[in-house]
Amino acid sequence: EDKVVQSPLSLVVHEGDTVTLNCSYEVTNFRSLLWYKQEKKAPTFLFMLTSSGIEKKSGRLSSILDKKELFSILNITATQTGDSAVYLCAVEVYFTNAGKSTFGDGTTLTVKP
Amino acid sequence: DTEVTQTPKHLVMGMTNKKSLKCEQHMGHRAMYWYKQKAKKPPELMFVYSYEKLSINESVPSRFSPECPNSSLLNLHLHALQPEDSALYLCASSQDGRVNQPQHFGDGTRLSIL
Repeated sequence: EDKVVQSPLSLVVHEGDTVTLNCSYEVTNFRSLLWYKQEKKAPTFLFMLTSSGIEKKSGRLSSILDKKELFSILNITATQTGDSAVYLCAVEVYFTNAGKSTFGDGTTLTVKP
Repeated sequence: DTEVTQTPKHLVMGMTNKKSLKCEQHMGHRAMYWYKQKAKKPPELMFVYSYEKLSINESVPSRFSPECPNSSLLNLHLHALQPEDSALYLCASSQDGRVNQPQHFGDGTRLSIL
């Protein structure tokens, strides 16, 4: 059975802090690892990672994948209150004509002013 | 607002009712997905359609019946649901399920079963 584990499950920081969120996985037929941000409603896409060691960056957010050790990290620098959300890690595996996603339980990030 | 539109936003139904959830996207995506999300839990995959054909059914009970009438629309027909089926139902789409592409999610339908 495919497994995705995120840590920590929750985190409270102050504005300006840097945070690192972790995602480890055990799956068969890995295709990609994706990070999403979920506030009240729809998860919104942050990064898709397929190759080891290549950092993806978007503003204050960055992410990297290690396919040998089977984990990824999501870094957020200079956090702001608007970063408060649940951060979801999902791993896609190959399946007939489609990718099949398994999500981790998420990390709930609270950024205090 | 997202590019994937789900209706209705909220639905309350009795256990004997029949209702449908609708999902629409006009991005030309050929893969569409249904997820169920309980409170404080991650989304759980239910169904995947690729090029209007059902590709994945994650052992979902038959009281949930998906339908993909065309490449822009995805329905989820509900019948004889149980109280434990109360959840947020999310629809998503991606450009082509056969290749690595992120999914775009709708805002979901919040379903309550009385």
